[in-house]
Amino acid sequence: GESVGLHLPTLSVQEGDNSIINCAYSNSASDYFIWYKQESGKGPQFIIDIRSNMDKRQGQRVTVLLNKTVKHLSLQIAATQPGDSAVYFCAVSISGTYKYIFGTGTRLKVLA
Amino acid sequence: KAGVTQTPRYLIKTRGQQVTLSCSPISGHRSVSWYQQTPGQGLQFLFEYFSETQRNKGNFPGRFSGRQFSNSRSEMNVSTLELGDSALYLCASSGGAGNYYNEQFFGPGTRLTVL
Repeated sequence: GESVGLHLPTLSVQEGDNSIINCAYSNSASDYFIWYKQESGKGPQFIIDIRSNMDKRQGQRVTVLLNKTVKHLSLQIAATQPGDSAVYFCAVSISGTYKYIFGTGTRLKVLA
Repeated sequence: KAGVTQTPRYLIKTRGQQVTLSCSPISGHRSVSWYQQTPGQGLQFLFEYFSETQRNKGNFPGRFSGRQFSNSRSEMNVSTLELGDSALYLCASSGGAGNYYNEQFFGPGTRLTVL
């Protein structure tokens, strides 16, 4: 079956450093990928997405990298701030299925 | 533009009861998806509706059902509640119309506790 996994349940980084959160997926037919941020007591918030015809996409302080060969994607957060503390999920979809498979989440802790 | 709203925000029920949760998508969005979030299992897909039709469903028992109305609002129902149904139920809406790549916007969720 389909599965999406994250490499680390918790990641602690120093304020100002860069953060890298990883995600692996199993289905090679997956063609749309999203990163979400979830703060305590709130629903997931969209951060950035990428389609399978790309291998890199940049947003404000965030970059998503997609390696389809090894079925891996990562979220890079530059100059991590205390407000970045949250749980980060990757979500993977296959076009036409109208369904997203979520990873288990990585809790990012920003140390002052 | 108002975001996705879910009601109620918190709910306490006892085993054997049934519950109905409501979701109002972002205005103009026609696709609504439901997810169950628990600490052990993470976010798990329940079902997705578009124009009142269920287009896909996850691996949940038949006790979990949903529907969508002509105004795109959606409800999900869980019958014969079990302790394991305690979770945060999240609703997400997206444009959905023909475009396979759709950013989903999530609501704040309904926290269901089954005693």
